[in-house]
Order: sequence, then structure tokens, then C-alpha cells
Amino acid sequence: GDSVTQMEGPVTLSEEACLTINCTYTATGYPSLFWYVQYPGEGLQLLLKATKADDKGSNKGFEATYRKETTSFHLEKGSVQVSDSAVYFCALSDLKDDKIIFGKGTRLHILP
Amino acid sequence: DTGVSQDPRHKITKRGQNVTFRCDPISEHNRLYWYRQTLGQGPEFLTYFQNEAQLEKSRLLSDRFSAERPKGSFSTLEIQRTEQGDSAMYLCASSPGTDYSPLHFGNGTRLTVT
Repeated sequence: GDSVTQMEGPVTLSEEACLTINCTYTATGYPSLFWYVQYPGEGLQLLLKATKADDKGSNKGFEATYRKETTSFHLEKGSVQVSDSAVYFCALSDLKDDKIIFGKGTRLHILP
Repeated sequence: DTGVSQDPRHKITKRGQNVTFRCDPISEHNRLYWYRQTLGQGPEFLTYFQNEAQLEKSRLLSDRFSAERPKGSFSTLEIQRTEQGDSAMYLCASSPGTDYSPLHFGNGTRLTVT
């Protein structure tokens, strides 16, 4: 079945460092891809999404490009802040199934 | 838009007891989802509703679990004869139901079975 694999954490970086969190997927159809974020003490919320190949989703300085040829959707940010510390989940949705499948999550710690 | 609310936030129960959780979705969202999340894992899909109709149930949802959404508004998730393995965070989410619309999550109900 459909699945998402993302890099294991925790990832610890200094403020202003570059971030990449890898995500690859397996799907039989043509899924939409998402990154969700969970800040400490808060619920999951959508960070960005891309609905078709070569689309780039972006929000709050984060970007991810839907790469069909490599079945990837890596999350990137050029300069992270302490406030970016959270757990990040890569996810996919196949229209035929109408549900979202999540990866295991990557915890990010940003040091001041 | 007051967001998705879940009640209670925390529930501690003894093995063998029944528990019920409630979820109030964003008003006018016709899709409602239940997920379960254990430590170090991503949310796992349990079931979802389109209005009052339950359209899909995961194999994770044993016959001890039942979910309802009467009148297509709030939903309840009941676990009968709880087991220690049921300890987890139970997440509810809703969406307007348009193609690829994102899910709006509540803060979850943390269940501890002793």
C-alpha cells in the first residue's frame, strides 16, 4: 500500500543553519504531498502542500518540491530559527482513498 | 472558526473499562477523521466520515472500537474492554471535503490504560 518514509531524528541545528528533511513516498496513484508540523503543546497543522509533479509548496520560509522521478518531497529552509523547533511529518493523500498517510515524523531542535 | 475540539484532553482508565471520546469538527466541514498516534510514530488512520456516513475503517480498528457521527456533526469514538496497547493519543481532524483539502487537527485525547 501507499507509504511515506522520512529521515529519522532528532535533528539538531544551530540558528541560521540550512535545513533539509528527506521524505520519499510509495504510491500506486498520483498523490498529493504534504508537510505537517506539530509545535510543542499544539495540534498538527499543515505547513505546505503540492498537488502535482514539479509543484513547489512554500510557507514560513520552508519549501518542498514534488519530484515524481525520485518520488521525493524533501523539506528545506535556508535559515532556521529557534521557533522552528517542532516535529515535522511528511504525508501523502491519494484521491481514491480520501485519507492522509503520515510518515513517522522528524523532531527538529534549533539551538540559539 | 473555533477549530477542532476534542474532549477530554486526558483519560486514565483501568484495563477492561470502556472509554468514549468526543470530537467537534469545524462547523460545515463534512469530513471527519480519527487517527491514533503512539510515541515516536506518525498518526495512523483509523476511520473517517463523510457527513454521517462512515466510509472507511482501518484494519487497526478492532471490533472493540466503534465510531459514530450522528447527524453529521460531532463524532464519538468508543473503546470497549480497553487494553494497555490502546494507550495512545487519539486525534480527530476535519476537512471541507474538497479535493486535496488539508486536514485540521484537534489537540487530541491522550489515553492511558493502566
